[in-house]
Amino acid sequence: GAGVSQSPSNKVTEKGKDVELRCDPISGHTALYWYRQSLGQGLEFLIYFQGNSAPDKSGLPSDRFSAERTGGSVSTLTIQRTQQEDSAVYLCASSSVAGGPGAEQYFGPGTRLTVT
Amino acid sequence: DAKTTQPPSMDCAEGRAANLPCNHSTISGNEYVYWYRQIHSQGPQYIIHGLKNNETNEMASLIITEDRKSSTLILPHATLRDTAVYYCIVRDPYNQGGKLIFGQGTELSVKP
Repeated sequence: GAGVSQSPSNKVTEKGKDVELRCDPISGHTALYWYRQSLGQGLEFLIYFQGNSAPDKSGLPSDRFSAERTGGSVSTLTIQRTQQEDSAVYLCASSSVAGGPGAEQYFGPGTRLTVT
Repeated sequence: DAKTTQPPSMDCAEGRAANLPCNHSTISGNEYVYWYRQIHSQGPQYIIHGLKNNETNEMASLIITEDRKSSTLILPHATLRDTAVYYCIVRDPYNQGGKLIFGQGTELSVKP
C-alpha cells in the first residue's frame, strides 16, 4: 500500500518568505509527527497530532512555525518569515496509534528546504 | 537529551553479523528500547523494539541485558544495503505521545 508522502520534495525559498510543507499520512493512521533534520542538529521532534488536535507542540522552535491537520489526515507545516537556520529536511511520520509499545512510526521521504 | 550512548561509527564485512551496541544505563521500568535506521537520503525506518526479553524479527535480533542497561542490535548477515545510521531510542510508549527522541546514532558501513 501507499506509504507516507510529502510534498514538495525540494523547496528553495528566499529569506523572509513563508513556506508550506505537506504531509499525507498512511490511510487510517491517527497519529502524525513532524521532525526536522539539519546538519548541525540531527533529527529533532517538532509536533505531534492525535487526530486533528496537537497535544504536543513542544518541539516547535519558534512562533514562526505552525502546523495543522484537517480531517484526521493531511497535515501542513507552515514556516513564516523563513530564516537561513530553517534550512533542513522536514520529515513526517505516521502511526496507527499514538501510544503502546507496538506503535511504530512510518516516515516519509522528507522535504528538503533551502532558505537563501 | 538523548538517553542512549552509541559508538559514532562501525564497519562490518558483507555477509558477516553486525553487532551494534547501545548503552542506556538510566532506563526506567516503563521504557522500551527501539531501533530505527536511516539509509542515506531516506526517512528513518523502524527495525525492532523490546522491553526486557530478547526479540527477533525478519530484519534483526535485539539482545537486552538482564539489568536492561544496555542492548545490542544484531543484523545476522549484513549486506551492502544495510549501510545506514542506526538509532537506539528508549521511551515510555504509554507517555509522551509516541514522539521519538533521536541521538546521534551509529553509522554502519558494510564493506564488500
